[in-house]
Amino acid sequence: EPEVTQTPSHQVTQMGQEVILRCVPISNHLYFYWYRQILGQKVEFLVSFYNNEISEKSEIFDDQFSVERPDGSNFTLKIRSTKLEDSAMYFCASRGLANNYGYTFGSGTRLTVV
Amino acid sequence: SQQGEEDPQALSIQEGENATMNCSYKTSINNLQWYRQNSGRGLVHLILIRSNEREKHSGRLRVTLDTSKKSSSLLITASRAADTASYFCATGSNAGNMLTFGGGTRLMVKP
Repeated sequence: EPEVTQTPSHQVTQMGQEVILRCVPISNHLYFYWYRQILGQKVEFLVSFYNNEISEKSEIFDDQFSVERPDGSNFTLKIRSTKLEDSAMYFCASRGLANNYGYTFGSGTRLTVV
Repeated sequence: SQQGEEDPQALSIQEGENATMNCSYKTSINNLQWYRQNSGRGLVHLILIRSNEREKHSGRLRVTLDTSKKSSSLLITASRAADTASYFCATGSNAGNMLTFGGGTRLMVKP
């Protein structure tokens, strides 16, 4: 069964450093998303991406965040200057154009900012 | 309560029993989805129900949706120890865009 692949599975970074989280969505999917889940809290929407541009973003997704689809397969989330409160599990998701709107989520990247 | 709130927050049952989890939401929706998450792992899509549907089945899962009450329920029949996980409802307001997740129900199925 097709999967959404995320790398790395765990990243530790110093406060103020830039991090890039990587995702390979399912190949024929057209909508791409990033969500995050702070430990013990709800899964929160960050951004959606379609047709090579951001289609929607949340208040969390401020100027420190950016997304890119640099080639036909990867979808990245960059945090320019990490803060302690960015520590969370980050999930990438994708979905196709079918009537079933269910998303396929990756296994996540656990980001720890120290 | 916020959009997509599950009830109960935690549920402990014996293997073989049925588990029922409820979700309430506040705004209009296009669809409602249920996801499962094993500890520290990703979210697995279980089932989607559209706003014009009232009930849907998938294997041992049964989902109902009552748009007049803005609520949904997920029933897992004949539960197994392997069903132990957190279950989240998520509402979609329109096609292609964000999901709003609830806080989840932690289900423990004792062998």
